[in-house]
Amino acid sequence: GDSVTQMEGPVTLSEEAFLTINCTYTATGYPSLFWYVQYPGEGLQLLLKATKADDKGSNKGFEATYRKETTSFHLEKGSVQVSDSAVYFCALSDHGNRDDKIIFGKGTRLHILP
Amino acid sequence: DGGITQSPKYLFRKEGQNVTLSCEQNLNHDAMYWYRQDPGQGLRLIYYSQIVNDFQKGDIAEGYSVSREKKESFPLTVTSAQKNPTAFYLCASSIGTSGYYNEQFFGPGTRLTVL
Repeated sequence: GDSVTQMEGPVTLSEEAFLTINCTYTATGYPSLFWYVQYPGEGLQLLLKATKADDKGSNKGFEATYRKETTSFHLEKGSVQVSDSAVYFCALSDHGNRDDKIIFGKGTRLHILP
Repeated sequence: DGGITQSPKYLFRKEGQNVTLSCEQNLNHDAMYWYRQDPGQGLRLIYYSQIVNDFQKGDIAEGYSVSREKKESFPLTVTSAQKNPTAFYLCASSIGTSGYYNEQFFGPGTRLTVL
């Protein structure tokens, strides 16, 4: 079945450092890929998405490129801020399935030190 | 503003009592979902509904029940049969199979503590 694997955390970086959170997936159909962010005590917010191979999603300085050849969707940011401290979830929606479900990774907790 | 509301934000109940968590959306979405999140853990799907008056079990449905009598509402009841109900509960919605990208929109969550 479909699955999402993302790097385990926590990831701790200093402010202005470069960020990469790895995400790989398996899917039987033609997935759309997402990154969600969860701040402490809150629900998830969609950070960015990509719907087909080679698409690049971007938002708030974060980017991720849909790489079909490596089945990856790594999240990157050139210069992180303390306010980026949160949990990040990689996810996919497989359009080959008609159940409207999204498959989430287990999440990666990010700590940014001032 | 369109969005998803969950109430209450914090809920305390005594062991053995049933409790119902509210979820309302005004996004005109067909599909709605309930997830459970434990500290430091990912999301686990409890129930989901693709259309009014129909719903399906997710991965951890035991001890929970839902109803979908209206498009905008999807309440979750945590019954006394749920062995470890203390958790953070998240409701979400999406356009459903009528929409191609099918991203989910989340509510702010309800933190349930059973004493």
